[in-house]
Amino acid sequence: GENVEQHPSTLSVQEGDSAVIKCTYSDSASNYFPWYKQELGKGPQLIIDIRSNVGEKKDQRIAVTLNKTAKHFSLHITETQPEDSAVYFCAALKGGDISNFGNEKLTFGTGTRLTIIP
Amino acid sequence: NAGVTQTPKFRVLKTGQSMTLLCAQDMNHEYMYWYRQDPGMGLRLIHYSVGEGTTAKGEVPDGYNVSRLKKQNFLLGLESAAPSQTSVYFCASSGLRSDNEQFFGPGTRLTVL
Repeated sequence: GENVEQHPSTLSVQEGDSAVIKCTYSDSASNYFPWYKQELGKGPQLIIDIRSNVGEKKDQRIAVTLNKTAKHFSLHITETQPEDSAVYFCAALKGGDISNFGNEKLTFGTGTRLTIIP
Repeated sequence: NAGVTQTPKFRVLKTGQSMTLLCAQDMNHEYMYWYRQDPGMGLRLIHYSVGEGTTAKGEVPDGYNVSRLKKQNFLLGLESAAPSQTSVYFCASSGLRSDNEQFFGPGTRLTVL
């Protein structure tokens, strides 16, 4: 099955600086890579995702890059703010429609606790 | 829309007791999932469903059963709880494809003594 490794497990960044979280995956058939943010006491929430037919995607201060050859993808947060403090999870999936039922499981990394220092 | 709701929010069980966790979604989603979250291990998939009457095993299915009798509900059962099942349980749902965004509930904190 798929194996997703995530680094670092904890990250402290000065407010206004950038933060980078990296993930690697093992299954070359994986084609969907979401990133989830989990605030204390809440369920995870999708913040950005990328599919294997693109190399980079941006949404305001957040960007994700994907290197299919090396099987790794990264989350970049620029101009960090205190509200960015949370646990971030990467994930990988060989996605599809219902006809692929039984083979599509989202595999999560172990999470990165990001702390923004004011 | 309430999104994804879970009941109960907290529960303490004794070893050997049984219980059912209820997940409900009002987004007419096809896919529903049950995950457990343990420190340092991220989210691990227990079981999932792609519609009424369909279920499939995830990464850690042992000791759990599920049922999807109605499209909007997904139940997770523990027949004989063990201390190793102490965890935070999250339900999620997504649309017509497995690579659609998953919407998570607020979680259920379960302690088995």
